[in-house]
Amino acid sequence: ETGVTQTPRHLVMGMTNKKSLKCEQHLGHNAMYWYKQSAKKPLELMFVYSLEERVENNSVPSRFSPECPNSSHLFLHLHTLQPEDSALYLCASSQPSSGELFFGEGSRLTVL
Amino acid sequence: GIQVEQSPPDLILQEGANSTLRCNFSDSVNNLQWFHQNPWGQLINLFYIPSGTKQNGRLSATTVATERYSLLYISSSQTTDSGVYFCAVGDHGSSNTGKLIFGQGTTLQVKP
Repeated sequence: ETGVTQTPRHLVMGMTNKKSLKCEQHLGHNAMYWYKQSAKKPLELMFVYSLEERVENNSVPSRFSPECPNSSHLFLHLHTLQPEDSALYLCASSQPSSGELFFGEGSRLTVL
Repeated sequence: GIQVEQSPPDLILQEGANSTLRCNFSDSVNNLQWFHQNPWGQLINLFYIPSGTKQNGRLSATTVATERYSLLYISSSQTTDSGVYFCAVGDHGSSNTGKLIFGQGTTLQVKP
């Protein structure tokens, strides 16, 4: 079992759909992150949660809504997305004391 | 904010060749990681190396923090080494959140 697990691995949705991405970490970390990777762009940090509290929201549109119910789980709720939101969404976790990040396999999202 | 530049952007090697990938950063850092992104999108941790030298099999890395660069060495390259290599850094302002800033990556293709 990998340390950070993301589901679903692939998602296709229409612009009016509501869907969610899920991330679970089994490493005992207390910080979790959402990153976005679009074609031809470097990875962009979206959200940071530390001890289940959102500590950073990197100017992300409100159609992306994160939720962190506990230190092991992180969700990204998706609503009324645009085709340009199609990307690979990567979840990561870390212990803030070291800062070393561990990533999940990613969820590849296509918005039609 | 801190800038991260990787070179070369693309690299083609014959199997068995050695290579050096470079990462330059514009300010002092408290975290530096090298990742390999596999064809399915997952970021695999290679090294956590804010300073010093580490080796893991055919791979090694050196970070000279005072001169603001890091090098990743790949020896006796294999076709399975193909993919994108990312350098990512955390600045001192991010020490409480562990967030990383990514370079654009080096795309490596190893030919049999």
